[in-house]
Amino acid sequence: AQKVTQAQTEISVVEKEDVTLDCVYETRDTTYYLFWYKQPPSGELVFLIRRNSFDEQNEISGRYSWNFQKSTSSFNFTITASQVVDSAVYFCALSEDWATDSNYQLIWGAGTKLIIKP
Amino acid sequence: GAVVSQHPSWVICKSGTSVKIECRSLDFQATTMFWYRQFPKQSLMLMATSNEGSKATYEQGVEKDKFLINHASLTLSTLTVTSAHPEDSSFYICSASQYSNQPQHFGDGTRLSIL
Repeated sequence: AQKVTQAQTEISVVEKEDVTLDCVYETRDTTYYLFWYKQPPSGELVFLIRRNSFDEQNEISGRYSWNFQKSTSSFNFTITASQVVDSAVYFCALSEDWATDSNYQLIWGAGTKLIIKP
Repeated sequence: GAVVSQHPSWVICKSGTSVKIECRSLDFQATTMFWYRQFPKQSLMLMATSNEGSKATYEQGVEKDKFLINHASLTLSTLTVTSAHPEDSSFYICSASQYSNQPQHFGDGTRLSIL
């Protein structure tokens, strides 16, 4: 079965704190993509990152970093020095078997609502 | 690049009205478009997948006669909510991908409120 679990429903931190959003996935495929999206209160989905299953290198983009660990089937997202503008719902998603999936469907986690208090 | 435009962004209408939502890929040709529904505080739920020139593939539990999807060109897909009722009120999001192995690009969504 394919599944994405974001166990943290809501996280609230004070501005400038670091925060990590967890994502655990299940798949039987060896080739797949993992994604993170941000959905601010306005509703639009903002693409943050796509990682393929063969690339376990951690990635850093400004204050954002991602830790991909195949051994634990996790793809966690960390925001350092959080800011109020980071407040949003963050979704982790999985796309399986990208080489053969004819429609490249996304399997979504439930989302984590991140609240950054000033 | 890879911009998807969704229109309208917000619509309020009376019960029994049919509502059409458009999803356009502005700078690429989208062979595949997806339609999602999102209830408050929930994740995205895939409603259907449409390939240009073919009938849409609906997910289990989604009424195809209720949610009509047309993908007549490589840059436009439409979702028509027929005879809408208050329970159809939701946030609808479309996405498009250029090729089957390319990531989806999302529209900004449509908030539909049925009175």
